Amino acid sequence: GAVVSQHPSRVICKSGTSVKIECRSLDFQATTMFWYRQFPKQSLMLMATSNEGSKATYEQGVEKDKFLINHASLTLSTLTVTSAHPEDSSFYICSAKRQGSTDTQYFGPGTRLTVL
Amino acid sequence: GQNIDQPTEMTATEGAIVQINCTYQTSGFNGLFWYQQHAGEAPTFLSYNVLDGLEEKGRFSSFLSRSKGYSYLLLKELQMKDSASYLCAVRGTKAGNTGKLIFGQGTTLQVKP
Repeated sequence: GAVVSQHPSRVICKSGTSVKIECRSLDFQATTMFWYRQFPKQSLMLMATSNEGSKATYEQGVEKDKFLINHASLTLSTLTVTSAHPEDSSFYICSAKRQGSTDTQYFGPGTRLTVL
Repeated sequence: GQNIDQPTEMTATEGAIVQINCTYQTSGFNGLFWYQQHAGEAPTFLSYNVLDGLEEKGRFSSFLSRSKGYSYLLLKELQMKDSASYLCAVRGTKAGNTGKLIFGQGTTLQVKP
């Protein structure tokens, strides 16, 4: 298999609070994980690339101080949305790259964030 | 720039065959992926092409022509559960880099009885 879990699956928070989302590769090690966000009826937008043991690489337009990424082990990456606002409400999805001949990315089940 | 184009919506009949096209223009090419995504769920991996030709996997097949910047996903013997969005994604950097994917906007397929 190639199973990626994500926690929590759904979170509702008040504006101004911080939310942490965990992404775990359960049956393989992933030196690289990716964080995406997806608005309704739109495709996935890459936010950042998470590298184990080093700083994340953020896509243009993504605030690194607002979306904190930590990839502390080969099976865990976390995304913290700091001082969340209603416009941060979205579906956040992580993926983990399984190294091999194809380096396929396998996706977690996603986290639905609603900021009130 | 980098661009991936897919039709926005398609409709097909249960039991039929449908072909979803994808054209791309990217800086470098190191593989094309197709994912299926049901509403409210994360994408699941369907297929991978890096060389020209057809890859068959059960009811699903994927084709690639690198010279034309073109791929298609072919779904045979359509079932109602195939109603979903189908995402075409290109890995535009060489292996050894992060391998990030560039996604098309997705094709929403509706299968009707």
